Parts: sequence; C-alpha cells; structure tokens
Amino acid sequence: QTVLTQPPSASGTPGQTVTISCSGSGSNIGRNTANWYQQLPGTAPRAVIFSNNQRPSGVPGRFSGSKSGTAASLAISGLQSEDEADYYCAAWDDSLDAWLFGGGTKLTVL
Amino acid sequence: EVQVVESGGGLKQPGRSLRLSCVGSGFSFDDYGMHWARQVPGKGLQWVSGINWNGGRIAYADSVKGRFIISRDNAKNSLYLQMNSLRPEDTALYYCGKDIGPVITGGPFVEYWGRGTLVTVSS
Repeated sequence: QTVLTQPPSASGTPGQTVTISCSGSGSNIGRNTANWYQQLPGTAPRAVIFSNNQRPSGVPGRFSGSKSGTAASLAISGLQSEDEADYYCAAWDDSLDAWLFGGGTKLTVL
Repeated sequence: EVQVVESGGGLKQPGRSLRLSCVGSGFSFDDYGMHWARQVPGKGLQWVSGINWNGGRIAYADSVKGRFIISRDNAKNSLYLQMNSLRPEDTALYYCGKDIGPVITGGPFVEYWGRGTLVTVSS
C-alpha cells in the first residue's frame, strides 16, 4: 500500500529543470520531513535530499527539495543525462508508526 | 568510507526461516539507527523495519509484523533480520541502511544503503 503518491514518470531535455512531486497526508509529510532517493539502474538507492531541503555531502547543488503542507517536491536543474534514474520520496508516518516510500518516478532525459 | 554489507540471502521454501545480517564499517555503529528495506526486482522500494541506536525503539511494516524480528549487536557492528514464516511475497532484494541519526522516527532517514542480498521464497 503506497500512501505517498508520486507521478510514475517525468522527462526533460538536458539543461532543463524538472520537478517531481510527492503527495502525502497530515500523518506523514504534514507532520514530518521528506527525504528523496535516487536509484540508478542496477544500483542501491542514494540519498539526494533529507529533511525536506538538505543535501548530503557530494550531491550536486542542482538537486533541491521543498515542502508545503502535505506535499514535497524534488527539483533538478541543469538536467544531465546522468540524472536519468528512478526517484523515491520517503517520510515517517505517525499513524502507521512506519516509514513510507512513494511509488517512485522514472525520470527520462530526452 | 562508510559501508554497510548485507549477507544471508538465498532460496527458501514457504513457511521456513532465514536470517539476514548486515555489517557496518567506517562509522561508529552504536551511534546510529539502522533499517531494512526491500525491493522486488523492477518494482518500488518498501521499508521493512528499523531499530534505534541501542535497540530500545523498534518498528515494523504491517506486512512483516509478527513474522520478522530486527536486532543488533553493537559489539559486532552488526544488524540482523530474522525472517520467519516466509511467504512468496517476501521474495525481494533486501537492503540494509544506516540512518542519519540515532533514532529511527520522524525526520531524516537513511543516509547510506548497502547493495542488498536477494531472498527468494519458492517451493
């Protein structure tokens, strides 16, 4: 059961800015922070944003995150071919007492 | 360099048990919460369980509650997942993850994930 809703796909051309949304509810994103993961084909997930808008060391400044109410967003500016991957949002849900992942968004760089 | 390495996956029949292990290195293991997540090949990620730095707070996904047990041995820098009453739907690649902090709830989540160990449940 996926309680965090993401669009299944997104696309952009090199240099463009792409935004991926993650819609939750008052018991998850509404009360807690959102995290974002990038998963390249055949590899483990990699954290790109934690606590709504914080970048781990080594993640390019092209990646940014935001949150408003019960929704979070990941923006990738200056899109590059190496950004082509699956992206997942994640948040703690106070009612379920569990971590939730969104269903994932497949980003294609045209 | 921070590393978490999973082991213990394999093929099991439905109803049997399996124990996964994860060893952490390059960080103070007993300062951080740890998690397990899984992924059916070609599908999305699913969080399975988490344990805080001293084992005092544990949480499970509903789909594994009552069947899986998470534990840790800080002296061995190790995390475990005891998987009982296995079902075909437990078939997945299981990832171990190091939390950003000592607790497993609320804010920041996993900072590093391992490469995973494959569990197949089939008769």
